[in-house]
Amino acid sequence: GAVVSQHPSRVICKSGTSVKIECRSLDFQATTMFWYRQFPKQSLMLMATSNEGSKATYEQGVEKDKFLINHASLTLSTLTVTSAHPEDSSFYICSAEGTSLVEGTDTQYFGPGTRLTVL
Amino acid sequence: DQQVKQNSPSLSVQEGRISILNCDYTNSMFDYFLWYKKYPAEGPTFLISISSIKDKNEDGRFTVFLNKSAKHLSLHIVPSQPGDSAVYFCAASGLTTSGTYKYIFGTGTRLKVLA
Repeated sequence: GAVVSQHPSRVICKSGTSVKIECRSLDFQATTMFWYRQFPKQSLMLMATSNEGSKATYEQGVEKDKFLINHASLTLSTLTVTSAHPEDSSFYICSAEGTSLVEGTDTQYFGPGTRLTVL
Repeated sequence: DQQVKQNSPSLSVQEGRISILNCDYTNSMFDYFLWYKKYPAEGPTFLISISSIKDKNEDGRFTVFLNKSAKHLSLHIVPSQPGDSAVYFCAASGLTTSGTYKYIFGTGTRLKVLA
């Protein structure tokens, strides 16, 4: 089945530094990728929708200058958390939209997530 | 405004019995529904989906039922196994006013299957 990878799986950084998280679709082309954030004991919160070759669409309340998203190719999207602070510590998950070989319909495939801890 | 609701935050079921997870939605424009399973510190895993033209979809031990008039869907797991213990998210998708499809997730139900 379709696979989405994320790198790194875990990162610890100092306050004020920037962190880049990569999301790759490994065996399908994803024109659309999504970035989510999960707070403890809460649902996934959609941060932004990333379309290849165009600017990302951010959800209300998400700072686009804080969370930079680049979708340079059909298999790679990156999320950069700039000037990270402890409140940015969270579990970040990307997903890519692809076609299910079984259903023949578009389905989201999720990456394994990245645990960010800002000290 | 929570468009997709999972009103039971947790559920405990004995091994071998049926697990029923429920999900309600408010937007009648949603036309595709999905269930995801999530273990701690991992990304959600796609489980099963159903389009609005169907009322049932079955895949092994997992069956999803859709009641469009009630705007309700449920996931049945039978027989339940200890490895099914996880958080289950339902999600709905539909066309937004900007012309893109958007996925809305419920808050999740933590299933615990007791051995």
